[in-house]
Amino acid sequence: SYVLTQPPSVSVAPGKTARITCGGNNIGSKSVHWYQQKPGQAPVLVIYYDSDRPSGIPERFSGSNSGNTATLTISRVEAGDEADYYCQVWDSSSDRVVFGGGTKLTVL
Amino acid sequence: QVQLQESGPGLVKPSGTLSLTCAVSGGSISSSNWWSWVRQPPGKGLEWIGEIYHSGSTNYNPSLKSRVTISVDKSKNQFSLKLSSVTAADTAVYYCAREPPNSHVMDVWGKGTTVTVSS
Repeated sequence: SYVLTQPPSVSVAPGKTARITCGGNNIGSKSVHWYQQKPGQAPVLVIYYDSDRPSGIPERFSGSNSGNTATLTISRVEAGDEADYYCQVWDSSSDRVVFGGGTKLTVL
Repeated sequence: QVQLQESGPGLVKPSGTLSLTCAVSGGSISSSNWWSWVRQPPGKGLEWIGEIYHSGSTNYNPSLKSRVTISVDKSKNQFSLKLSSVTAADTAVYYCAREPPNSHVMDVWGKGTTVTVSS
């Protein structure tokens, strides 16, 4: 079965750039979606189809996907960006949604 | 805009069946979207349970497939989840979500409902 691997945690100072990776076998051939989840809240879609942003999501959030790694980049990080972030793909070989294990972003 | 609301018992006995409903408002469940269930055990990550189209077509997580049934009720504009033979490992927050056509991306989520499996 297809596996997505994320680092458990990433730390960044306010105003700096955070990069959260999502690794998977030839993930560049799949569409990757990213969700932000704050404590006690439902996930929120922040990036879809690798690099598209839903309306209402700041331009500071961007995404890329190539080879075996997809990356969520958050520029000019703010305290309010502190959350868990999950990547997700559709595995067409088994017809199922796959989530990464999640990355806790800490703003120092 | 579309809103989703989960409902159902917050406590289920071991070996019993967990039953939840997701009410869709602000849009029709018969639109060209798929509708998903996702769960999150305490302190853990997201786990996809399965999805359904209004025609009744479904896809399930292979790890849960033998215990899961997702169904749709177009007359009530809602879809449902049944998970049988539950154990403490099924204790989680359960979310329903919308997937726009041909996307398998979840753009609208319910607030989630907590289900505890305990005697």
